[in-house]
Amino acid sequence: GQQLNQSPQSMFIQEGEDVSMNCTSSSIFNTWLWYKQDPGEGPVLLIALYKAGELTSNGRLTAQFGITRKDSFLNISASIPSDVGIYFCAGFHGGATNKLIFGTGTLLAVQP
Amino acid sequence: SQTIHQWPATLVQPVGSPLSLECTVEGTSNPNLYWYRQAAGRGLQLLFYSVGIGQISSEVPQNLSASRPQDRQFILSSKKLLLSDSGFYLCAWSHTQERAFFGQGTRLTVV
Repeated sequence: GQQLNQSPQSMFIQEGEDVSMNCTSSSIFNTWLWYKQDPGEGPVLLIALYKAGELTSNGRLTAQFGITRKDSFLNISASIPSDVGIYFCAGFHGGATNKLIFGTGTLLAVQP
Repeated sequence: SQTIHQWPATLVQPVGSPLSLECTVEGTSNPNLYWYRQAAGRGLQLLFYSVGIGQISSEVPQNLSASRPQDRQFILSSKKLLLSDSGFYLCAWSHTQERAFFGQGTRLTVV
């Protein structure tokens, strides 16, 4: 099935460092969503983006909807141990408006 | 407020047995509903989505089927499970082009 390209695949950082991950697609998306998943749980929504160029923050998290509508990034500032988990981007495809496609995920490990 | 319920949380089934996973949404009407499967350490693969009662779009041809008998109920089924059907199954709901919310998932192990 179709998936978005997400990078990096994994990151191992020290507590306090900033983190950046991004998601790209070959086609246009109308909505970008960023999720965090803890082991054995369903993904939890972190940030939703609805307009090209939009920059939105949620605490230490900041995400942007790319101008081309084909990409998005998520930044986490001053990471803490509880940031550990898998982060996914997701988007509603421009052509098939109800289809929600996910990225391949970024595994984040934070060393205290 | 809206909530989504998914059950059971874990399931161990023998090869060749049938499967029925249920997902229900409360607190909203006419949601889009989704079934995903996640292999260990992997991303979410979209299996089925539905925009209304009786309307099912299949993304991946396979051993599974989905049904939506009521507005806020989405069921994932199989007549005969395969070993490769093992995984973490997630149900989600959204309104078109807006944020989507997930259930807690069902861990299925086929033995």
